[in-house]
Amino acid sequence: ETGVTQTPRHLVMGMTNKKSLKCEQHLGHNAMYWYKQSAKKPLELMFVYSLEERVENNSVPSRFSPECPNSSHLFLHLHTLQPEDSALYLCASSHRDSYGYTFGSGTRLTVV
Amino acid sequence: GNSVTQMEGPVTLSEEAFLTINCTYTATGYPSLFWYVQYPGEGLQLLLKATKADDKGSNKGFEATYRKETTSFHLEKGSVQVSDSAVYFCALSTKNNFNKFYFGSGTKLNVKP
Repeated sequence: ETGVTQTPRHLVMGMTNKKSLKCEQHLGHNAMYWYKQSAKKPLELMFVYSLEERVENNSVPSRFSPECPNSSHLFLHLHTLQPEDSALYLCASSHRDSYGYTFGSGTRLTVV
Repeated sequence: GNSVTQMEGPVTLSEEAFLTINCTYTATGYPSLFWYVQYPGEGLQLLLKATKADDKGSNKGFEATYRKETTSFHLEKGSVQVSDSAVYFCALSTKNNFNKFYFGSGTKLNVKP
């Protein structure tokens, strides 16, 4: 257990479904991140929240919608996904003023 | 811009062999450099880091030295074990008002008994 908990670990959803990924940290970090890891591609930074404010959105399609209700929780709401969205979605957290991330174990998403 | 390039895998070694995974970077400013490891079915774990030129990061027998002159941060281990089989990611971080990481594409290491 790294201190960053992601649920669920595995998710299979149809293209018309709506689901949410959850990330939780109790490390006292004040920045949280969503990354997408696809096979044979570099990790793609999707969203950054710093002090609960979204500070970065890397041209992510609107079918992905993040939410950060407080500094300990981060959600990724999913709707009308495509099969190419199947990937491992990783959450990470950090202190704004120090180096290094702590990653969660990820949610393996399969879109059918 | 900022980017990280690491050698493509997979790298297959016998147990107790010497390991080198090459990593080079381009960056504006003075980044910190990291190696992360991902075991099967898991997220990424920090393996080691170096925050300035000539620093050496080390952990679990792995080492990497921050070489500014060659913009490199190669990962080495003198004697690998089967349990080291994983995917290794080189990364750099530039810090503005949050940590922004740039990752390489990962190198898969297979260690055979």
